[in-house]
Amino acid sequence: DQQVKQNSPSLSVQEGRISILNCDYTNSMFDYFLWYKKYPAEGPTFLISISSIKDKNEDGRFTVFLNKSAKHLSLHIVPSQPGDSAVYFCAASGGNNDMRFGAGTRLTVKP
Amino acid sequence: DAGVIQSPRHEVTEMGQEVTLRCKPISGHNSLFWYRQTMMRGLELLIYFNNNVPIDDSGMPEDRFSAKMPNASFSTLKIQPSEPRDSAVYFCASSPQGTVSSYEQYFGPGTRLTVT
Repeated sequence: DQQVKQNSPSLSVQEGRISILNCDYTNSMFDYFLWYKKYPAEGPTFLISISSIKDKNEDGRFTVFLNKSAKHLSLHIVPSQPGDSAVYFCAASGGNNDMRFGAGTRLTVKP
Repeated sequence: DAGVIQSPRHEVTEMGQEVTLRCKPISGHNSLFWYRQTMMRGLELLIYFNNNVPIDDSGMPEDRFSAKMPNASFSTLKIQPSEPRDSAVYFCASSPQGTVSSYEQYFGPGTRLTVT
């Protein structure tokens, strides 16, 4: 069963605009959420995370928002740059080393 | 500082053959994870080890799949016999257990497996 869902397989935005990637989860035991970025022919790399005790975490151009009541999180990239073009995976963990990933969203930032 | 090392990077084999994928985690990391990436399901956790001990193998698709971690610096994922539906990219990841940063897993470059 897919406990972490990314319903948009792809997203295309113009350079300089905001990119918003969405993620939903079903397991209320998840208490830590992460976003990973993946370029072709490479493994995913950690981007940003958020604990369930927070509703927002910001790191430069990247901000993750968490809505626990809706079991929803989102990643905002502002401003978007062509180098941000990659596949973004949402992941969630329930307090151990176990982690569940979504199917990924392919972001394309057009110059 | 070497990251997670996986070999081979690409593997093409015929249906029915045995396939062995290898992983060397980052030194000092004591958790190791095997994932499979497919278009339909994204990154699926197959199995993970803490201190060389398998903790959860519920993601292993079937008995044809097996994984071992004989020591802290080496793990294998074996498929025997392989089938075309096993074609995917297999990732190994490691993390330092027992710390906040243990949530942040470090991935290898992956092994692209093609079974014909």
